[in-house]
Amino acid sequence: IAGITQAPTSQILAAGRRMTLRCTQDMRHNAMYWYRQDLGLGLRLIHYSNTAGTTGKGEVPDGYSVSRANTDDFPLTLASAVPSQTSVYFCASSDSRGVDTQYFGPGTRLTVL
Amino acid sequence: GEDVEQSLFLSVREGDSSVINCTYTDSSSTYLYWYKQEPGAGLQLLTYIFSNMDMKQDQRLTVLLNKKDKHLSLRIADTQTGDSAIYFCAEILSGTYKYIFGTGTRLKVLA
Repeated sequence: IAGITQAPTSQILAAGRRMTLRCTQDMRHNAMYWYRQDLGLGLRLIHYSNTAGTTGKGEVPDGYSVSRANTDDFPLTLASAVPSQTSVYFCASSDSRGVDTQYFGPGTRLTVL
Repeated sequence: GEDVEQSLFLSVREGDSSVINCTYTDSSSTYLYWYKQEPGAGLQLLTYIFSNMDMKQDQRLTVLLNKKDKHLSLRIADTQTGDSAIYFCAEILSGTYKYIFGTGTRLKVLA
C-alpha cells in the first residue's frame, strides 16, 4: 500500500464506551495529525505528533488521547465517548520538509449515541 | 486569533469561472495551500503557493496571493461538474507543524 489507512471506516458507539481509531502510514513521514470534520466548522486539529515519541495538543484535544510509539502508527483513543464526539475523523501525515504537503486518510465516520 | 475564513457555498454554471476566496491569519506562513475534498473522501492537495509569490497558475487553476491583506484566492477556469467538491485553504503557523484549515467552501457546478 501507499499512503494512509484508517480503521474502521465507520462505527456506531454507545456513549461511555472506549474507542480507538487506527491510523497507519507507509510514507515514513515524521509528522502525523488527527482532525475532526464537522459541518460548518471545517477541520479542527485534535492532536498532532512531530515525530515518533512526541505528541502535542491541537485545537480541540479534550476527551481524546494519542500515542506515537513508532513512525507509522498514530492511534486516537476516546476514553469515554460522548455524543458531541460524533464526527468524521481524518488522520493525516506530512514529511515536514519543503512544501510540507499533508496527506489524508479516507476518514472514519463515528456516531456516538 | 487563528481563524482562516472562507465563504461556505458557491454555485456556478458549467463552463464559467469559479473564484473561491480565503482570508488567513499568519503573515509569516511560508506556504499556503488549497485542498479539495470530494464526497466521502479525505482531502487531497490541489495546489499551493509559496509566500514570496503573487500568483501561481497550474492548468485551469490560478492562485492569487495578496500578502498585505492576507487574502488568498483560487480561480478555476472552465469549471466542470467534476469540480463539485469542498475546497479548503490552509496555512501552517510559522515555527510550528500546525496547519490551520478554513471552514471549506462547497462548490456546486450546475450543468
